Amino acid sequence: GAVVSQHPSWVICKSGTSVKIECRSLDFQATTMFWYRQFPKQSLMLMATSNEGSKATYEQGVEKDKFLINHASLTLSTLTVTSAHPEDSSFYICSARGTGYSYNSPLHFGNGTRLTVT
Amino acid sequence: QQQVKQSPQSLIVQKGGISIINCAYENTAFDYFPWYQQFPGKGPALLIAIRPDVSEKKEGRFTISFNKSAKQFSLHIMDSQPGDSATYFCASSNFGNEKLTFGTGTRLTIIP
Repeated sequence: GAVVSQHPSWVICKSGTSVKIECRSLDFQATTMFWYRQFPKQSLMLMATSNEGSKATYEQGVEKDKFLINHASLTLSTLTVTSAHPEDSSFYICSARGTGYSYNSPLHFGNGTRLTVT
Repeated sequence: QQQVKQSPQSLIVQKGGISIINCAYENTAFDYFPWYQQFPGKGPALLIAIRPDVSEKKEGRFTISFNKSAKQFSLHIMDSQPGDSATYFCASSNFGNEKLTFGTGTRLTIIP
């Protein structure tokens, strides 16, 4: 089946530094990727939609200058948390849609990245 | 994003029993209703999904019941097993839009 790989699976960084999270579609081409944020014991909140070769579309309330998204190829999207602060600590999850997206071939999720900002 | 309301927040079911989780949506344009299973520290995995042109879909021990007029859908897990213990999320979207709106999640615990 389709696999979406996220790296790193967890990261600890100091306040004020930037962290890059990668999301790769391993066996399919992903024209669209989605980035979600999940706080402990809470639901997934969509942050932004990433389209290959164009600017990401951010959801209301998400700071695009803080959460930089780059979808440079059909298999890779990156999320960079800039000038991270403790309140950015969260579980970040990406999902990807293939070029043959249909009801029988839905979104595939990565295993998430646990970010802890100290 | 319009809300998807999910209940209960947590559920404890005895092994072999039926687990039932309910969701209600607001947006009548939604036409795709998946259920996801998430284990701690992992991303959600698609369990089963339904379109509004059918009232029920069954895959193994998992069944989705869909009530379009009430804008509600539910997940039934038959013969619940300890390995089913996880957090379950319902979601909805307009399929052409693709952006999923997730429910608040249900933490299911299956006890022996």
